[in-house]
Amino acid sequence: SAVISQKPSRDICQRGTSLTIQCQVDSQVTMMFWYRQQPGQSLTLIATANQGSEATYESGFVIDKFPISRPNLTFSTLTVSNMSPEDSSIYLCSVPGQTNTEAFFGQGTRLTVV
Amino acid sequence: EDQVTQSPEALRLQEGESSSLNCSYTVSGLRGLFWYRQDPGKGPEFLFTLYSAGEEKEKERLKATLTKKESFLHITAPKPEDSATYLCAVRESGSGTYKYIFGTGTRLKVLA
Repeated sequence: SAVISQKPSRDICQRGTSLTIQCQVDSQVTMMFWYRQQPGQSLTLIATANQGSEATYESGFVIDKFPISRPNLTFSTLTVSNMSPEDSSIYLCSVPGQTNTEAFFGQGTRLTVV
Repeated sequence: EDQVTQSPEALRLQEGESSSLNCSYTVSGLRGLFWYRQDPGKGPEFLFTLYSAGEEKEKERLKATLTKKESFLHITAPKPEDSATYLCAVRESGSGTYKYIFGTGTRLKVLA
């Protein structure tokens, strides 16, 4: 399985500010995924990040709020913009496994907006 | 609407007390059912993939089974280190992306 590193692991931010989360994979992958895990809720896919093209956002998520970069095949960033307390959540980076079925996850970024 | 429901939400077991976690799903076409373990402060750790009814997978004290409507994660003689949240997810058939639908998980606590 791929080794996925996320930074930061946690942060406390003021409302109205932005936070950029980094995801580094130890192997080249075509697709990277960003999920949100709100307290007591299931993981929800935010967007799929393909290298060399615009990210594909799921219903309810927009690029202005969650801009994503994918500069190469091992790295991606997710920015949470103009944060409000409702954005407090765990944000997870994910990549497909070698069989392209199961997904592997980073350790997550726990964001608290105050 | 495709959905995944896990039960119970929380489960407390004594060490050695076997039990099962349930994952029921509704999906138009199944391209895999997945079980993950998530420890506090960490991302989900992949455990099993099941593809068709009747399939079973085992790993140490864990055994996952699949029917056409649900999956069970059987925990035999659990130990305190098995304490975690167990997540179930399905991937839709025909999906052009890797979109998974996750359940909210079962929080398992095994007491020594």
